[in-house]
Amino acid sequence: NAGVTQTPKFQVLKTGQSMTLQCAQDMNHEYMSWYRQDPGMGLRLIHYSVGAGITDQGEVPNGYNVSRSTTEDFPLRLLSAAPSQTSVYFCASTPGLARETQYFGPGTRLLVL
Amino acid sequence: SQQGEEDPQALSIQEGENATMNCSYKTSINNLQWYRQNSGRGLVHLILIRSNEREKHSGRLRVTLDTSKKSSSLLITASRAADTASYFCATDALGIHAGGTSYGKLTFGQGTILTVHP
Repeated sequence: NAGVTQTPKFQVLKTGQSMTLQCAQDMNHEYMSWYRQDPGMGLRLIHYSVGAGITDQGEVPNGYNVSRSTTEDFPLRLLSAAPSQTSVYFCASTPGLARETQYFGPGTRLLVL
Repeated sequence: SQQGEEDPQALSIQEGENATMNCSYKTSINNLQWYRQNSGRGLVHLILIRSNEREKHSGRLRVTLDTSKKSSSLLITASRAADTASYFCATDALGIHAGGTSYGKLTFGQGTILTVHP
């Protein structure tokens, strides 16, 4: 199993540009989530999904969209990038409830100029 | 606001010493988890302790949970240089989400940066 994969590893955007961060898992996990990590802030939940077709907002959802058309994929879309979205983004998955062990991807480092 | 708060923010020790990190949280929980993050990498799960457990061991790791004080500690015994990393606690607060089903959400603390000197 590849586990949780994320692409790209690093991205530079200009303010106002849009992009999609990809996340995929091959463990048939129901629950997937997106976090952002900023210095001194720990990880903050952006959006999560409890299964294909079901998504919900986390702690910091503004400026981000998600969809879950398949069990495997959970892309995160930045609609109009802002410098405040400069961060490291992590995708995670877990086989059942969110409260159980989460498996993290390697992260995407995003710089918005 | 963060559910889990870790203490200390940074810890520097010599190889062979024990390292203790603490986590405090605010609301009732289902479980508490500890994760490790090496520089530039994703988080890796270390151990999960449920709200009805008081202590759990995994190799050189020992985790305690005191629900009356809303706190947990992670002890790494006989530390090694390879233990150098950031350590995060994560709590799953009790609650109902996503159309009435309690899936839970993990909330992470700010982390403790552990440096183990050879």
